[in-house]
Amino acid sequence: GAGVSQSPSNKVTEKGKDVELRCDPISGHTALYWYRQSLGQGLEFLIYFQGNSAPDKSGLPSDRFSAERTGGSVSTLTIQRTQQEDSAVYLCASSFLASGGRHNEQFFGPGTRLTVL
Amino acid sequence: AQKITQTQPGMFVQEKEAVTLDCTYDTSDPSYGLFWYKQPSSGEMIFLIYQGSYDQQNATEGRYSLNFQKARKSANLVISASQLGDSAMYFCAMREVRGGGNKLTFGTGTQLKVEL
Repeated sequence: GAGVSQSPSNKVTEKGKDVELRCDPISGHTALYWYRQSLGQGLEFLIYFQGNSAPDKSGLPSDRFSAERTGGSVSTLTIQRTQQEDSAVYLCASSFLASGGRHNEQFFGPGTRLTVL
Repeated sequence: AQKITQTQPGMFVQEKEAVTLDCTYDTSDPSYGLFWYKQPSSGEMIFLIYQGSYDQQNATEGRYSLNFQKARKSANLVISASQLGDSAMYFCAMREVRGGGNKLTFGTGTQLKVEL
């Protein structure tokens, strides 16, 4: 079946502009996550959504970052007034359950490479 | 303190040999899960193996096994019979049930190179 998809695959923007990154999770997955991977680094958690619950925003680095998930499916990560340090690969993942369990592995999309000039 | 520590930035192994990638973790949560992901140069994250903190046996998935030593807080990945296609970045990650919901905390990764 279809995996997690993300768009665009690459985004180049100028410092100070706003960007929107989109994620389409696997159909039926109730949980959706955003991570950021800077060059040569591990993944850094940003935000996650589970069903209709309030999202866990504890990883968002500043108030320039926000995300929404409409209809329990597609999610958009918005970065306002981009800075050069925002340059990274932004990865989206989804999972079937948000509680513990071995079937809870997260399936990742291909990522969006953001470059802020 | 780092929650996930991977001390090997790079590893080399010869084809058909076994290799162990180290991972230690730090948590006070009695219930947690440990994951290993593979990231080839193409960038996608591929789930490999999972170990729950209450699992009595070490997890195995094909050529992958997890050497889980709970008292030492280590969860090393063992890849047997290495193949050229195993060359990739490998990340260890942890989910803390009490403190973290389902978000994963990742280590900095180990770059594995399989040689002929």
